[in-house]
Amino acid sequence: GAVVSQHPSWVICKSGTSVKIECRSLDFQATTMFWYRQFPKQSLMLMATSNEGSKATYEQGVEKDKFLINHASLTLSTLTVTSAHPEDSSFYICSARDRSKGAYEQYFGPGTRLTVT
Amino acid sequence: GNSVTQMEGPVTLSEEAFLTINCTYTATGYPSLFWYVQYPGEGLQLLLKATKADDKGSNKGFEATYRKETTSFHLEKGSVQVSDSAVYFCALDYGQNFVFGPGTRLSVLP
Repeated sequence: GAVVSQHPSWVICKSGTSVKIECRSLDFQATTMFWYRQFPKQSLMLMATSNEGSKATYEQGVEKDKFLINHASLTLSTLTVTSAHPEDSSFYICSARDRSKGAYEQYFGPGTRLTVT
Repeated sequence: GNSVTQMEGPVTLSEEAFLTINCTYTATGYPSLFWYVQYPGEGLQLLLKATKADDKGSNKGFEATYRKETTSFHLEKGSVQVSDSAVYFCALDYGQNFVFGPGTRLSVLP
């Protein structure tokens, strides 16, 4: 149980285009989902916290107009990288809290590798 | 603020060696503590967790004890295998979201 999926697992796009990444909780309801970014050989950097039915909360330094987050249901959150540039190339990981198991249970997706050419 | 510090890697060990990866934290209150493992090209997997002082988390031969007095959560394994080669992240949860340590890369040689 408690599986989080991401789609696509990897994507290559041209500079200037937009890319949407989906994060789904497959067997539980997630009131809160998180989006992280990981550069090669580095730790995870929290980008934003997404609550179902409300606007996402972005961390300092993260451009909300560039990284659009939508959490339309209890099982789906999307991250759209708008007008992507090569410096946006990274590994994006989402996670979700299982609200039935208390505040400390958080499950991670397998990640999406974005390459912008 | 809340933060997590891990021993710098990479750590290279021979198979069946004893492993310790140090983790210390700074936090207000009493956070939950976690170890996550990331295999090459994959996302994070929860390895073990502890939610209160003196709790011991264990899984797959790995152990870590929540030490409030030393604000530590060191990861240990008595005999590592080649398949344990990965990056290990210590993390704390202070209610709203996680704070991750920088990660420690472990390489186990046959």
